[in-house]
Amino acid sequence: AQSVTQLGSHVSVSEGALVLLRCNYSSSVPPYLFWYVQYPNQGLQLLLKYTSAATLVKGINGFEAEFKKSETSFHLTKPSAHMSDAAEYFCAFYSGNTGKLIFGQGTTLQVKP
Amino acid sequence: KAGVTQTPRYLIKTRGQQVTLSCSPISGHRSVSWYQQTPGQGLQFLFEYFSETQRNKGNFPGRFSGRQFSNSRSEMNVSTLELGDSALYLCASSLGGEPYEQYFGPGTRLTVT
Repeated sequence: AQSVTQLGSHVSVSEGALVLLRCNYSSSVPPYLFWYVQYPNQGLQLLLKYTSAATLVKGINGFEAEFKKSETSFHLTKPSAHMSDAAEYFCAFYSGNTGKLIFGQGTTLQVKP
Repeated sequence: KAGVTQTPRYLIKTRGQQVTLSCSPISGHRSVSWYQQTPGQGLQFLFEYFSETQRNKGNFPGRFSGRQFSNSRSEMNVSTLELGDSALYLCASSLGGEPYEQYFGPGTRLTVT
């Protein structure tokens, strides 16, 4: 079955530190993968997407993600965390069979001053 | 371009009532998908409409229904509300084809008492 797993429901980093949010997917076909961010009381904002054009994908707000087929992973990184990065992050996989985005459970990022 | 808009932003209903939520997609987008977000179940796909036809459906009871109009605007209806229907309902629009990225509205917060 197609699925997305985000390792760690809560990640805490200090301001200026590296951000690493982990995502693994399960799919028998080449995936379309996305990272979204959700701020309190708001909808989801698309950070970046992987669509097989390049394995290293750059997104908005300094985030990037690397697609590793051998590890079935699509981890999200940012070299230096900012206080404004505190939010919930969702990894998602587009399922062509069902025509829907399958989301991970989300990771809450806390940024400490 | 204007983003996805959803109305109303907040709703309070009583058990047994019905509710209609509205979504206006990004101009030019023909696909509208609906998701339910709850703390316990996360983000779950309800259904997708494309060119006024329901193209995909998630695992929700028949009390949840939707439709799409010729201008791509979509409505979602929930009849006979239950306490468990309290959630954030998110609408997302997309072109309907590759690369399948979806753009989300701010959501409608439904509280059932």
